[in-house]
Amino acid sequence: GAVVSQHPSWVICKSGTSVKIECRSLDFQATTMFWYRQFPKQSLMLMATSNEGSKATYEQGVEKDKFLINHASLTLSTLTVTSAHPEDSSFYICSARPGTSGSNEQFFGPGTRLTVL
Amino acid sequence: EDKVVQSPLSLVVHEGDTVTLNCSYEVTNFRSLLWYKQEKKAPTFLFMLTSSGIEKKSGRLSSILDKKELFSILNITATQTGDSAIYLCAGVRGSTLGRLYFGRGTQLTVWP
Repeated sequence: GAVVSQHPSWVICKSGTSVKIECRSLDFQATTMFWYRQFPKQSLMLMATSNEGSKATYEQGVEKDKFLINHASLTLSTLTVTSAHPEDSSFYICSARPGTSGSNEQFFGPGTRLTVL
Repeated sequence: EDKVVQSPLSLVVHEGDTVTLNCSYEVTNFRSLLWYKQEKKAPTFLFMLTSSGIEKKSGRLSSILDKKELFSILNITATQTGDSAIYLCAGVRGSTLGRLYFGRGTQLTVWP
């Protein structure tokens, strides 16, 4: 149980295009999902917290117009990198928190490697 | 400012050695601490520690939390090459959102 999937697992795009990454909780409902990015040999940096049915909460320094997050259902959150540039190339990971009260456990997706040319 | 500091940042050992990874934290309204193992892709969950002084064990891995001194350790005994990975610890703030504050991780390399 507690499986989180991400799609695509890797994507290469041209500078200026937009890329959508999906995060799905496959066997549980996730009222809260988190989006992280990770640079080589660095830790996970939280970008935003996504709550089903409401606007995402962005961390300081993360542009909300650049990284659009939509949490349309209890099992799906999407991150859209708009007008991507080479500096947006990174490993993007989502995690999902089960909707059970008091649970702090988060389950991570396998990540999406984005390369912007 | 909330922060989590892990040490050492990297560690190289031989198979069979025992290692101790350290994690100190300063997290507002601290609720629990989580350990993850990250190989090539996303982190996989190891332990969640909420109570002080209670050791959690899973095979050759064990972990304990000291809420007075604000740190946790992860022990791996009889290391194997498959233990090579980045080990991440994260503090959880006590809120309904459960935001995680990650440390930079410890890169463990186990040589045969």
